[in-house]
Amino acid sequence: EPEVTQTPSHQVTQMGQEVILRCVPISNHLYFYWYRQILGQKVEFLVSFYNNEISEKSEIFDDQFSVERPDGSNFTLKIRSTKLEDSAMYFCASMKGASTNEKLFFGSGTQLSVL
Amino acid sequence: AQTVTQSQPEMSVQEAETVTLSCTYDTSENNYYLFWYKQPPSRQMILVIRQEAYKQQNATENRFSVNFQKAAKSFSLKISDSQLGDTAMYFCAFMKHGNNDMRFGAGTRLTVKP
Repeated sequence: EPEVTQTPSHQVTQMGQEVILRCVPISNHLYFYWYRQILGQKVEFLVSFYNNEISEKSEIFDDQFSVERPDGSNFTLKIRSTKLEDSAMYFCASMKGASTNEKLFFGSGTQLSVL
Repeated sequence: AQTVTQSQPEMSVQEAETVTLSCTYDTSENNYYLFWYKQPPSRQMILVIRQEAYKQQNATENRFSVNFQKAAKSFSLKISDSQLGDTAMYFCAFMKHGNNDMRFGAGTRLTVKP
């Protein structure tokens, strides 16, 4: 079965550094998402992306965050200057379309640790 | 804005017994989808079951079934014949039809005891 893949599985960075989290959505999917989960807390929506632009973003997704689809396969989340509170598991997800049978497929996550 | 509430932070059940996890949501939409996701210790998000709001029939997937009460905005998950491998966090989620984001509840940590 096709999967959403995320790399790396774990990333450690120093506060103030830039990080790029990478995702390869399922190949025929059109909608892409980033979610995050701080340890022990719920999964929170960050941003959705469709047709090469952000379609929706949450209040968490401030100017420090950006997303890109630099080529036909990758979908990246960049955090410009990381803060301690950015430490979390970041999940990428994709969805084929917006019809009635749709569902989100999640990657296995990137655990970001900001020191 | 849509909110999803899971009022049971933790639950436990004996192996082979049945357990029900609660979820309520708040929305003014009429057409939407509801989901239950399982998150084992590996933290992978695994879709358990999905329900379209326009369908009156409750969804079932093997040992997993839901009780969807649209008027009450309630969407509970029943796990029958619980197995040790069912031990996980369970998240209820809501998504508007045609919209792009899925909103999650705070989760219920389920422990299946031998």
